Amino acid sequence: RKEVEQDPGPFNVPEGATVAFNCTYSNSASQSFFWYRQDCRKEPKLLMSVYSSGNEDGRFTAQLNRASQYISLLIRDSKLSDSATYLCVVNGRRDDKIIFGKGTRLHILP
Amino acid sequence: DAMVIQNPRYQVTQFGKPVTLSCSQTLNHNVMYWYQQKSSQAPKLLFHYYDKDFNNEADTPDNFQSRRPNTSFCFLDIRSPGLGDAAMYLCATSRGPTGGAYEQYFGPGTRLTVT
Repeated sequence: RKEVEQDPGPFNVPEGATVAFNCTYSNSASQSFFWYRQDCRKEPKLLMSVYSSGNEDGRFTAQLNRASQYISLLIRDSKLSDSATYLCVVNGRRDDKIIFGKGTRLHILP
Repeated sequence: DAMVIQNPRYQVTQFGKPVTLSCSQTLNHNVMYWYQQKSSQAPKLLFHYYDKDFNNEADTPDNFQSRRPNTSFCFLDIRSPGLGDAAMYLCATSRGPTGGAYEQYFGPGTRLTVT
C-alpha cells in the first residue's frame, strides 16, 4: 500500500456543485494532515490543516478519519476558480518525513 | 509581506554545466526545504535544513548539494545537470521540524530546463 494515495482524477464538476475527495494514508502513527492547492505550473499553497475534530473554512470542509486512515476535502458551491490540483500532505512524528500525495485534479465546468 | 522568494524563476542550463538556484525567506522560519517536482508528480523532497543541521533524503543523488549560509538563504547546487533533472524546484519553509503540526510555505519555484 502506498504511503499516501489520492484519486488522480480529473474530477469534472459543474459550477455550483459539491465535490468531495479523499486521501488515504498507510502509517497509523501519522500526526498531522494538510490540504494544499496547486495551480498549473505554480507552487503548492496551503488550503487548510486538518484537525481531529474536522474544520471548516467557508466553502471548504476537511475531515479526518483515523480509524479508516483517510482525510477528506469537501468543496461546496464550487467556483471556476476552484479548478486546481489538490495535494494531501501527511506528517509523521517529529523529524519523520513529510509525505505528499500525487494530487487530485479538479476541473470546474461553466 | 513575509514570503519565500526564489531566483531565478526560469533557468536554462546546458547538460553537465553546474547551476545554482537560490531561495530566501523573510518568515524567519527554522526549516528550509528543497523539493523537485516533475509534471503530474508529487513534490519530491531532496533535503532540508533545520537551522544549520542538514538532512539529506536517502535517495537524493549526490549530484544535488545544498548550502544554508544563514537563516534567510538556502541554495541548491546541481553539479552536473542531466536531462532527467529538468523539473520545477520548489523551496519551502516551516517554523518547526518535520513532523508535527507545522505547515509549509512554498516559494514560486524555479523551472529548470536542461539542453
